[in-house]
Amino acid sequence: NAGVMQNPRHLVRRRGQEARLRCSPMKGHSHVYWYRQLPEEGLKFMVYLQKENIIDESGMPKERFSAEFPKEGPSILRIQQVVRGDSAAYFCASSPRDLNTEAFFGQGTRLTVV
Amino acid sequence: DAKTTQPNSMESNEEEPVHLPCNHSTISGTDYIHWYRQLPSQGPEYVIHGLTSNVNNRMASLAIAEDRKSSTLILHRATLRDAAVYYCILRPSGTYKYIFGTGTRLKVLA
Repeated sequence: NAGVMQNPRHLVRRRGQEARLRCSPMKGHSHVYWYRQLPEEGLKFMVYLQKENIIDESGMPKERFSAEFPKEGPSILRIQQVVRGDSAAYFCASSPRDLNTEAFFGQGTRLTVV
Repeated sequence: DAKTTQPNSMESNEEEPVHLPCNHSTISGTDYIHWYRQLPSQGPEYVIHGLTSNVNNRMASLAIAEDRKSSTLILHRATLRDAAVYYCILRPSGTYKYIFGTGTRLKVLA
């Protein structure tokens, strides 16, 4: 049973470009979460999705950031017109339907904006 | 959200037990205590969680104070591979968000 798969592991974008980060949850998991970790800081919640639904996006910046979890395929975190401050590690986690169980995290995508 | 307080860093010798403390004096009755660890350049890895009773698994033990205002993660025999940042997180029952603090950076000495 493969874990949470994220790709790419490393992504370099120039200011103004778009970044697309992908996350495939663990098999049987229907809940996906995205977190962001700035250098030397703890992880910060961004968004919680179920298939075809955004449940909670309270941690997402209001502009340039969007997330989806389509019926088929991985969850996508999209950052438009990236700026240097978007440089961070972005982690995806997934969990089964029971919210009292633990979530499993992927290895992360490290985004560098140059 | 109830907060947790952890020491910034700790050191341990290899092959010795490690006790990582966490204070959570404002914990509510429905808050689960979760522990994750993050190795360098890795995603957080689940370690253990509990509500009221002490818990054991293959990775660690979780000792929860009777009043639940503190807990201790116990690594029975530290190895070099246990060097990581350990996060103690409170998560209310039925919720999904983890509120990560800055954790305890554990250094294991050979």
